[in-house]
Amino acid sequence: NAGVTQTPKFRVLKTGQSMTLLCAQDMNHEYMYWYRQDPGMGLRLIHYSVGEGTTAKGEVPDGYNVSRLKKQNFLLGLESAAPSQTSVYFCASSQGGQGGREQYFGPGTRLTVT
Amino acid sequence: AQSVAQPEDQVNVAEGNPLTVKCTYSVSGNPYLFWYVQYPNRGLQFLLKYITGDNLVKGSYGFEAEFNKSQTSFHLKKPSALVSDSALYFCAVRLVSGSARQLTFGSGTQLTVLP
Repeated sequence: NAGVTQTPKFRVLKTGQSMTLLCAQDMNHEYMYWYRQDPGMGLRLIHYSVGEGTTAKGEVPDGYNVSRLKKQNFLLGLESAAPSQTSVYFCASSQGGQGGREQYFGPGTRLTVT
Repeated sequence: AQSVAQPEDQVNVAEGNPLTVKCTYSVSGNPYLFWYVQYPNRGLQFLLKYITGDNLVKGSYGFEAEFNKSQTSFHLKKPSALVSDSALYFCAVRLVSGSARQLTFGSGTQLTVLP
């Protein structure tokens, strides 16, 4: 099993450009998440999904959109990139149902906006 | 609202000595607590979690953590540190009754084990 994979690994954008980050998981997990990691701030939740066709806002959703058309994929879009979106982006997934299910993380995408 | 504090940005310990990475939390209800580790240029890896029951939780790579409800703490410990334990450690919390498994992470503690 590959677990959680992310594409691309690195990207440099100019201000105002758009891009889509792809996350895929092969563990049949119900829940998927997008986080951003900035120095000294831990991970902050951008958007999440509790199942195919559903999405919801997290702590820092502004400037991002997401879609979950297939259970195994979760896409994060930046419509008009800004320098403040320079960050490392992580996707994660977890099982549904009750209980303290841990999240499984992808390797990350390092995005620089100039 | 829920929050996590990791009061130490950096912890240095000599190889073979015991290590502790501190975490305190704040939730309005019963918590699930987690520890994750991040090696350079990698994603987060799950180490251990507290769900219910025994306050001492054992996890991967010889790590353990103790849940202390009265002090709202969940410190990570290891009896004998290895150089390979050097990494960034994150504590995370979520409410038992919370929706969608939303985790709140601490800001991270950089652990350096000196040979």
